[in-house]
Amino acid sequence: QSVLTQPPSASGTPGQRVTISCSGSSSNIGSNYVYWYQQLPGTAPKLLIYRNNQRPSGVPDRFSGSKSGTSASLAISGLRSEDEADYYCAAWDDSLSGHVFGGGTKLTVL
Amino acid sequence: EVQLVESGGGLVQPGRSLRLSCAASGFTFDDYAMHWVRQAPGKGLEWVSGISWNSGSIGYADSVKGRFTISRDNAKNSLYLQMNSLRAEDTALYYCAKDPWIQLSFIGFGHFDYWGQGTLVTVSS
Repeated sequence: QSVLTQPPSASGTPGQRVTISCSGSSSNIGSNYVYWYQQLPGTAPKLLIYRNNQRPSGVPDRFSGSKSGTSASLAISGLRSEDEADYYCAAWDDSLSGHVFGGGTKLTVL
Repeated sequence: EVQLVESGGGLVQPGRSLRLSCAASGFTFDDYAMHWVRQAPGKGLEWVSGISWNSGSIGYADSVKGRFTISRDNAKNSLYLQMNSLRAEDTALYYCAKDPWIQLSFIGFGHFDYWGQGTLVTVSS
């Protein structure tokens, strides 16, 4: 059981917009930045979103992040087959004094 | 180009020790905090430990506290993880990850912008 809660799966068709939620508490998302990582099959994770809604250089603007209270969301617009991957949210937890991850959401492009 | 290459994984019996290494290149290693993140087979990501650029801020996940020790040798551009009293539940792919903020004083302010390919640790009798 992960400290941050994500749906185990999500799906969409090419061109569609999908969102992945991440729920936490006042000690993590509620008081710290949220980060999103993409893990393509068989590869190391890649930073997708930092500080709630910032994209590193090279990440397409189809990916966007938002945060409200103790929840956050990752939105992917114009879905492509290459977006099929596992997505993880993360944040620092003040109570645990450690970085915590969500359990991950497996995105399937139908 | 940033490169992080982990080594030192392998098969080890429960209760034994193992030391992981991460060789860094392509950036000024001694300016950045570094972390270890693991992933059990078929499972999600778990942060294990982090260390600031000057070793002044160090943290561990509760699951490894008291058993694992993180360290760095800035002269050798290397990060280490000494793992003692290993358990079956420590079986995972261990990733070395770099923090993007220069001279970050507190590991809680950072995140992970570059990752290595990981080294597999299997704890089994």
